[in-house]
Amino acid sequence: DQQVKQNSPSLSVQEGRISILNCDYTNSMFDYFLWYKKYPAEGPTFLISISSIKDKNEDGRFTVFLNKSAKHLSLHIVPSQPGDSAVYFCAAADQAGTALIFGKGTTLSVSS
Amino acid sequence: DAGVTQSPTHLIKTRGQHVTLRCSPISGHKSVSWYQQVLGQGPQFIFQYYEKEERGRGNFPDRFSARQFPNYSSELNVNALLLGDSALYLCASSPDSYTEAFFGQGTRLTVV
Repeated sequence: DQQVKQNSPSLSVQEGRISILNCDYTNSMFDYFLWYKKYPAEGPTFLISISSIKDKNEDGRFTVFLNKSAKHLSLHIVPSQPGDSAVYFCAAADQAGTALIFGKGTTLSVSS
Repeated sequence: DAGVTQSPTHLIKTRGQHVTLRCSPISGHKSVSWYQQVLGQGPQFIFQYYEKEERGRGNFPDRFSARQFPNYSSELNVNALLLGDSALYLCASSPDSYTEAFFGQGTRLTVV
């Protein structure tokens, strides 16, 4: 049973436009959420996170929105750049912070 | 500062053999976790160690074991390798919790 779901395996966006990556979760005990970016042959790189007490967190071109009632979060990238092309993973942690539960990832392709 | 380093980067083993993977965390980080990533999936939690003690274990068989040393480096051991153990094994370190886990580049294990 997948607790963190990224239902879109891929997303294609033109350079300069907005990229929106979505993530749904089922476990209401999750209270911290993270986004990671992964290039081939590299480990995941931390991008941005959000605590369950917030509904938005912004860092440069990256903004994460959290809708707790819908158990949904999204990552917005504005403007998108070709170097953003990678696999993006959504992850969730519970209060114990023992493990990160990852989604299957969304492959973002940004064309110039 | 050096990031999380893992060794080796690639290795090939035969079914039934044993393998040891190594991880050095970021300086000052006391928590090390191990993840397995198979193709098309997100990383799956195997173990977390903090201050040399196991804090959490994922849904993996007893063939998988790990330990953390006084210098906070860690080893992941897998016995009686199966073809299905072929995957990218990721190590992550964090200061003391999962607020932000930083990953190494991974060890690509192929079991033939």
